[in-house]
Amino acid sequence: QKEVEQDPGPLSVPEGAIVSLNCTYSNSAFQYFMWYRQYSRKGPELLMYTYSSGNKEDGRFTAQVDKSSKYISLFIRDSQPSDSATYLCAGDSNYQLIWGAGTKLIIKP
Amino acid sequence: DTGVSQDPRHKITKRGQNVTFRCDPISEHNRLYWYRQTLGQGPEFLTYFQNEAQLEKSRLLSDRFSAERPKGSFSTLEIQRTEQGDSAMYLCASSHSSGRVYEQYFGPGTRLTVT
Repeated sequence: QKEVEQDPGPLSVPEGAIVSLNCTYSNSAFQYFMWYRQYSRKGPELLMYTYSSGNKEDGRFTAQVDKSSKYISLFIRDSQPSDSATYLCAGDSNYQLIWGAGTKLIIKP
Repeated sequence: DTGVSQDPRHKITKRGQNVTFRCDPISEHNRLYWYRQTLGQGPEFLTYFQNEAQLEKSRLLSDRFSAERPKGSFSTLEIQRTEQGDSAMYLCASSHSSGRVYEQYFGPGTRLTVT
């Protein structure tokens, strides 16, 4: 079993919809939880990070972590075609990032 | 551009050949990481350096792989006797040792295709 599980999708939604992306993890030692966005043939770029449990909001993006259920979520409001990308969640293990497989998101105009 | 750069962006090689990739980190960053990402998967940690010292190597890094960071600046990743299973995106990231784990900045990657 992988330490971070993520549905690979693809997830296709119409423009303007609310998108929910999710991961589960098994490593109780994770303290930081990250969401990265990766466009095709590019490196990942950090979208948001959360420390421990709770919510964090940044513009149209909200990250949630529930450590009791080991569940990580990213919500995107008012989705735009430019949000089409692969979204990867990750947890931290000291200096290392432990990644999910990524969910491919397609926003249809 | 002061981000992480990688060269080449794409490499096609025949099985059995040796290849070398280069990563130039953000100039003030003293930590440098190598990851491998296969199609449909997240990146997997390979190794990392603090300054010129290689501090950790994943078991994924077989004897055919070697990484160096001779002067604590740029780094090279060499794969000897390439195999088709080595086909992947090789990502480099850098950070400062005082930074948090999420403060790793990634380059665009080198896509390796072994035929």
